[in-house]
Amino acid sequence: DAMVIQNPRYQVTQFGKPVTLSCSQTLNHNVMYWYQQKSSQAPKLLFHYYDKDFNNEADTPDNFQSRRPNTSFCFLDIRSPGLGDAAMYLCATSRSGSPLHFGNGTRLTVT
Amino acid sequence: GQQLNQSPQSMFIQEGEDVSMNCTSSSIFNTWLWYKQEPGEGPVLLIALYKAGELTSNGRLTAQFGITRKDSFLNISASIPSDVGIYFCAGQLGSAGNMLTFGGGTRLMVKP
Repeated sequence: DAMVIQNPRYQVTQFGKPVTLSCSQTLNHNVMYWYQQKSSQAPKLLFHYYDKDFNNEADTPDNFQSRRPNTSFCFLDIRSPGLGDAAMYLCATSRSGSPLHFGNGTRLTVT
Repeated sequence: GQQLNQSPQSMFIQEGEDVSMNCTSSSIFNTWLWYKQEPGEGPVLLIALYKAGELTSNGRLTAQFGITRKDSFLNISASIPSDVGIYFCAGQLGSAGNMLTFGGGTRLMVKP
């Protein structure tokens, strides 16, 4: 019954090797978000899609990109991962004016 | 960016005890949310509050939206070991994009 599904749950990549994380939803929510969460910290918003409109947070590094090919899917691309990019990446969805629903996250390790 | 002040940062309590945590902000929010996050999982929504002064319960959990719209508290009664996790408050303005501002989290540990 998972409604926000993230794959994979665990991802290992090498320093500088591009990696893509995926998120899908069965809720038909119009807004999708990507958050980065480091150990014992609150999630930090990277960007979000309001329908097809992409909104980047001012302090999100250029190394992070996103794609939303349709309502159900959203991807996070990290072009050249550094050691500091190791974190849990959380996808979330919502309808306008409603609480966010989070996926279980992808834990990224950079070696 | 803006952050909510959440306290306490951590709590270590005995099973059966009641727990209280709160969040304060210098800005007004239209919605207050409380999430619980267990290790290796994403945050799960516990309670959503939409009106100033609103008091809402979900089982052993009770949360209130402060009358000034700048604060909220979460109480857990008769804690059990599965209450262990990190509890996050979040404020939401409710405008387009629904941006959340998170508190720093309260780590709850329960001793059986």
